[in-house]
Amino acid sequence: NAGVTQTPKFQVLKTGQSMTLQCAQDMNHNSMYWYRQDPGMGLRLIYYSASEGTTDKGEVPNGYNVSRLNKREFSLRLESAAPSQTSVYFCASEFGGAEETQYFGPGTRLLVL
Amino acid sequence: QKEVEQNSGPLSVPEGAIASLNCTYSDRGSQSFFWYRQYSGKSPELIMFIYSNGDKEDGRFTAQLNKASQYVSLLIRDSQPSDSATYLCAVWNSNYKLTFGKGTLLTVNP
Repeated sequence: NAGVTQTPKFQVLKTGQSMTLQCAQDMNHNSMYWYRQDPGMGLRLIYYSASEGTTDKGEVPNGYNVSRLNKREFSLRLESAAPSQTSVYFCASEFGGAEETQYFGPGTRLLVL
Repeated sequence: QKEVEQNSGPLSVPEGAIASLNCTYSDRGSQSFFWYRQYSGKSPELIMFIYSNGDKEDGRFTAQLNKASQYVSLLIRDSQPSDSATYLCAVWNSNYKLTFGKGTLLTVNP
């Protein structure tokens, strides 16, 4: 039981390049989330998927797109990376419903030059 | 904007002491409250959750909730150097969004 997994662990991009961050969970959770964490800013929600087939914007969605591929997988895409997107990205999942606990993946460190 | 406020610290305590971490929130309709621990370079991991007013104890950790004052705290008894980390307070708001505070850095000195 791996919990929440993320790939890659670390990535360097040049401005304007695109990439997709992958997230998968094996806990049969319904809801999945993408956060970014920056020094002094805390965790900020980018996008979330309350259930398979649905996605919604969070606090900071600009510059990102998401796909809920199936119940297990939720990907985050940067179409044209910018230095402001340098951050640590965390995927999280929860069973869903009434204010459940969220479980986090190990994170992806992204550096945009 | 639903706010969750924490003192950024650093909070420094000697080994064996009680560490007290505090959090206030702005949404009076919030019902569920969580404390996560995050070691440097790692992901947040759940320590405790609390739903009802009062205290909830789990080993060396005690969460305290006062909904009237919109205040939640985490006490760590017999603090150990391994407790040195950033502690994140998280609150489920009445609009069903989990909002995190910016975290308090705790350092336990041997």
